[in-house]
Amino acid sequence: RKEVEQDPGPFNVPEGATVAFNCTYSNSASQSFFWYRQDCRKEPKLLMSVYSSGNEDGRFTAQLNRASQYISLLIRDSKLSDSATYLCVVSGGTSYGKLTFGQGTILTVHP
Amino acid sequence: AAGVIQSPRHLIKEKRETATLKCYPIPRHDTVYWYQQGPGQDPQFLISFYEKMQSDKGSIPDRFSAQQFSDYHSELNMSSLELGDSALYFCASSLGTGGGEQYFGPGTRLTVT
Repeated sequence: RKEVEQDPGPFNVPEGATVAFNCTYSNSASQSFFWYRQDCRKEPKLLMSVYSSGNEDGRFTAQLNRASQYISLLIRDSKLSDSATYLCVVSGGTSYGKLTFGQGTILTVHP
Repeated sequence: AAGVIQSPRHLIKEKRETATLKCYPIPRHDTVYWYQQGPGQDPQFLISFYEKMQSDKGSIPDRFSAQQFSDYHSELNMSSLELGDSALYFCASSLGTGGGEQYFGPGTRLTVT
């Protein structure tokens, strides 16, 4: 079982739609949580850090539930440019700095 | 803002050859991480350095070695290359090792033939 699990999708949504991604992690000692996006054959780019209090950045909202070891990302008013792979990432536990990635969720936003 | 720089961007080697990948972190970042991403896979952690000392080690083969220099840049040395080493190699940098945000370079695409 992977340490970080995501629904790989793909999610195909029209422009303007709201889409939600979920992720679970198995290491209860994990300390830091992130969402990255990755475009084809390019580097992962940090989208946002995720905090227990929840955080919002424009159209993006991330939530963390430590008790359930569950992380979510909500994208509102989807744009064509949101099409990418979204990676759920955790850090901490036995190896404090290294990032452990989920397998990614593919999002395609169509006109 | 300055980002992580990696060189070369593309590299083609034959089996059993050696390769050296370079990474220049964001200015003032003191921690460097190396990740390997195979086709259709998520990035896997290889090794990290903080203040020129190895801080953590992941699934890095014994054929690979790395170091961080006094100017904080890092090099990943790969010897006796195998076909399975073909992958994207990303370097990321952060300030400190406290689980903070890591910023990735554009990667080096290594092809072993």
